[in-house]
Amino acid sequence: GAGVSQSPRYKVAKRGQDVALRCDPISGHVSLFWYQQALGQGPEFLTYFQNEAQLDKSGLPSDRFFAERPEGSVSTLKIQRTQQEDSAVYLCASSTDGTGGHSNQPQHFGDGTRLSIL
Amino acid sequence: GQQLNQSPQSMFIQEGEDVSMNCTSSSIFNTWLWYKQDPGEGPVLLIALYKAGELTSNGRLTAQFGITRKDSFLNISASIPSDVGIYFCAGDDSGGGADGLTFGKGTHLIIQP
Repeated sequence: GAGVSQSPRYKVAKRGQDVALRCDPISGHVSLFWYQQALGQGPEFLTYFQNEAQLDKSGLPSDRFFAERPEGSVSTLKIQRTQQEDSAVYLCASSTDGTGGHSNQPQHFGDGTRLSIL
Repeated sequence: GQQLNQSPQSMFIQEGEDVSMNCTSSSIFNTWLWYKQDPGEGPVLLIALYKAGELTSNGRLTAQFGITRKDSFLNISASIPSDVGIYFCAGDDSGGGADGLTFGKGTHLIIQP
């Protein structure tokens, strides 16, 4: 497709379960970002990939959160032993910028996965 | 960490009115972006600003990158019903590494018929 695709759109899990969220970036986009958006708030940065390399994971809230992009295209965000505070919309964004320097290519977002932890 | 102060939090206006919202930051950004988010969807890019002082238009939307690089505003002229939604400012300070965007908390625009 033409845009960033995320799946599933909705995910409900019981506290303690593991979940995996998928992101298909725009074809050819080098950079991929994950954000967490709590209800009524702006998105907050979680982690960043340039191709398959995870260059920044400073925003991951705990070691229960893990992201990968093994072939430099599709990415998966995994949350282990989910807690109620993990309930949020998880957004993925991609951009063409791959220089690692001054970014002048805007990020394009998917529609997110709405995660609800019961 | 960096924070963006976005105001107002919400706006109730009549169709046809002009709208103005702004963002300020305690630190410098190299890029300012404005996004619109509709319920159940991801943010959609409206305008990107790359140089201090830059003024850019996109149809009825106009945005400016502040001279100090610590602020930006977005104006919408002659609002229409489809302008309803949440508007986010975002700053990018990538300057040697790559960072995610820092977002404001959003301005919720409501248009009364």
